Amino acid sequence: DGGITQSPKYLFRKEGQNVTLSCEQNLNHDAMYWYRQDPGQGLRLIYYSQIVNDFQKGDIAEGYSVSREKKESFPLTVTSAQKNPTAFYLCASSIITGNQPQHFGDGTRLSIL
Amino acid sequence: QKEVEQDPGPLSVPEGAIVSLNCTYSNSAFQYFMWYRQYSRKGPELLMYTYSSGNKEDGRFTAQVDKSSKYISLFIRDSQPSDSATYLCAMSRGGATNKLIFGTGTLLAVQP
Repeated sequence: DGGITQSPKYLFRKEGQNVTLSCEQNLNHDAMYWYRQDPGQGLRLIYYSQIVNDFQKGDIAEGYSVSREKKESFPLTVTSAQKNPTAFYLCASSIITGNQPQHFGDGTRLSIL
Repeated sequence: QKEVEQDPGPLSVPEGAIVSLNCTYSNSAFQYFMWYRQYSRKGPELLMYTYSSGNKEDGRFTAQVDKSSKYISLFIRDSQPSDSATYLCAMSRGGATNKLIFGTGTLLAVQP
């Protein structure tokens, strides 16, 4: 079955620690996205990538970093500079042409220890 | 003012009721409109995708877009307990980045 796989489902971060969230898709989509979801705020765009080896900052990129070395993979690192990392993180992908809708994975819940 | 406004609810209805969910927006450049359903601790699932104004029907779901009023709606007929979820509206201007702007979501509970 084609889809987007996010792992782990739950993740805990200690003070000063960087953590990496995995996102893999087998839909052959060119574009991939990372969102953060907080209660009462909806989804906010962190980073997006339209092609391998290229990515752009979204609305709330500070304290996060990404890489796009393969078409099917778009990992997100939450760095120690992100002071309020507790949230539900969602990865999405889409076909790049024709403004096709984005499809989402099932998310990673990140909490602070 | 947020670009997209959505009543957070919760909205509680009896099984079999017709549900109306709504979003308003301020940016007249939005052309693509989506509704996603999100169950607890899951990712959003695309329900409806429409371009510009008009209606689109898919089974028990109907999406309406009124660009003149900057208002979109999702109607659910014969609602079921399995429809209990958070419903997110999203919209975009289109173009190269395909950036989506989301509403905050409406929590719906369908009572058996």
